Amino acid sequence: KAGVTQTPRYLIKTRGQQVTLSCSPISGHRSVSWYQQTPGQGLQFLFEYFSETQRNKGNFPGRFSGRQFSNSRSEMNVSTLELGDSALYLCASSPGTAGNTIYFGEGSWLTVV
Amino acid sequence: KQEVTQIPAALSVPEGENLVLNCSFTDSAIYNLQWFRQDPGKGLTSLLLIQSSQREQTSGRLNASLDKSSGRSTLYIAASQPGDSATYLCAGGGDSWGKLQFGAGTQVVVTP
Repeated sequence: KAGVTQTPRYLIKTRGQQVTLSCSPISGHRSVSWYQQTPGQGLQFLFEYFSETQRNKGNFPGRFSGRQFSNSRSEMNVSTLELGDSALYLCASSPGTAGNTIYFGEGSWLTVV
Repeated sequence: KQEVTQIPAALSVPEGENLVLNCSFTDSAIYNLQWFRQDPGKGLTSLLLIQSSQREQTSGRLNASLDKSSGRSTLYIAASQPGDSATYLCAGGGDSWGKLQFGAGTQVVVTP
C-alpha cells in the first residue's frame, strides 16, 4: 500500500511569490492535514480537510490556504511568500474517523530567498 | 488549549541501555496520544497510538503508557540500538482526528 506522497520535495522561491504544494493521501483515507515544521516553532497545525471540506484551521494568516479534491488529494497554497515561510511542510492522512493512526509524508522543503 | 511538553530535549545513551522518554499534556480530555519518530530531513514515522481508554500499547521493543489523570505518557525503548537515534515526538489528539498538538521532541543519540 503506497504511503503519503508529497510533491515537490524541495523548492526555492523568491519573497513575494506564491507556491502550491501537493499531497496524495493513502488510498481510502479521507482526511488530509497539513503541518508546518520550523526549528523555532516546531510542528504547527495548518488545516485539515475531510471529504473536500475544511474541518479545522490553525492559527496562520490568510496567505495560507488549501483545498481537497474529490479523490482526497490535497493542495496547499502560500501567497506573497515571506522569508519566515521557509519550513518543512508535512502532509498527513488518516481515515478520518475516531481512533485511527495518522500517517505522514516525507514533506516538502520550502526555502524562501 | 492543549499544550504538550517533552522532557528532556536531548538524551544520549550507550547502546543496550533502555530509553525512557517523557511527554506531558495539559488537557486530560485527550482522545488519543501518538508517538512518532523523525529522522533528520525526513517526515514522521508513526510508532504507537494509545487511545484515551487504554493504559498502554506495545510494539516489539517499544512500549508506551498513558496516564490521563496525571497528564503523562511515557515511551520506553528496550535495549537501545544505534539505529534508534532520531527525534521522538509525542502528539495529543482531540475530537478532530487530523489535528494533533505536538511536543517539541526529544533528540536521542545511541552511541555504539
